[in-house]
Amino acid sequence: DAKTTQPNSMESNEEEPVHLPCNHSTISGTDYIHWYRQLPSQGPEYVIHGLTSNVNNRMASLAIAEDRKSSTLILHRATLRDAAVYYCILRDDTSGTYKYIFGTGTRLKVLA
Amino acid sequence: EAGVAQSPRYKIIEKRQSVAFWCNPISGHATLYWYQQILGQGPKLLIQFQNNGVVDDSQLPKDRFSAERLKGVDSTLKIQPAKLEDSAVYLCASSLPGQHNSPLHFGNGTRLTVT
Repeated sequence: DAKTTQPNSMESNEEEPVHLPCNHSTISGTDYIHWYRQLPSQGPEYVIHGLTSNVNNRMASLAIAEDRKSSTLILHRATLRDAAVYYCILRDDTSGTYKYIFGTGTRLKVLA
Repeated sequence: EAGVAQSPRYKIIEKRQSVAFWCNPISGHATLYWYQQILGQGPKLLIQFQNNGVVDDSQLPKDRFSAERLKGVDSTLKIQPAKLEDSAVYLCASSLPGQHNSPLHFGNGTRLTVT
């Protein structure tokens, strides 16, 4: 299973942009990069995903390096409700299994 | 749309007892996952179903854990007998088949405490 590396924790001030990095140097050509976040006492929720091109949605933006060995989740204006653990996942499409293997994630703290 | 439903929300049992968790996925979602999340760690995939067939159960401790999805809809995860290290949150997730690249939808989990 392809692995991802994320910082254990990060802090941000409210209403400022946040850049959450993820390294995935062993990514294969068909692995999609997915981001999920987990609020306290809840199951993870989908944030965004991409393959090669940068992606935007209402929650966040995903910037993918040209060599695809790293990516960055961008929250444009952090709010207190964005405090969560953010997981960067490479979806394993080997043999059509489409497995999602979670790492330990980055705990984001948002300061008022 | 209704989300993924899980029950019970909490369960406390003694070691060596048995326990079962239930999951009702989002209607139309063929793929169902069970994850185990120990405090302070990321979710660990236990088993993955496509309809009522097992796609991957390589991380399921089969000597004590079992799971089924008989009619390709609801699923149950059972632990028998439970050990102290099974204390965790058990999360169920569902999605459209993988080739659609649709996101996972998680329930809020069942928190199991084994004493």
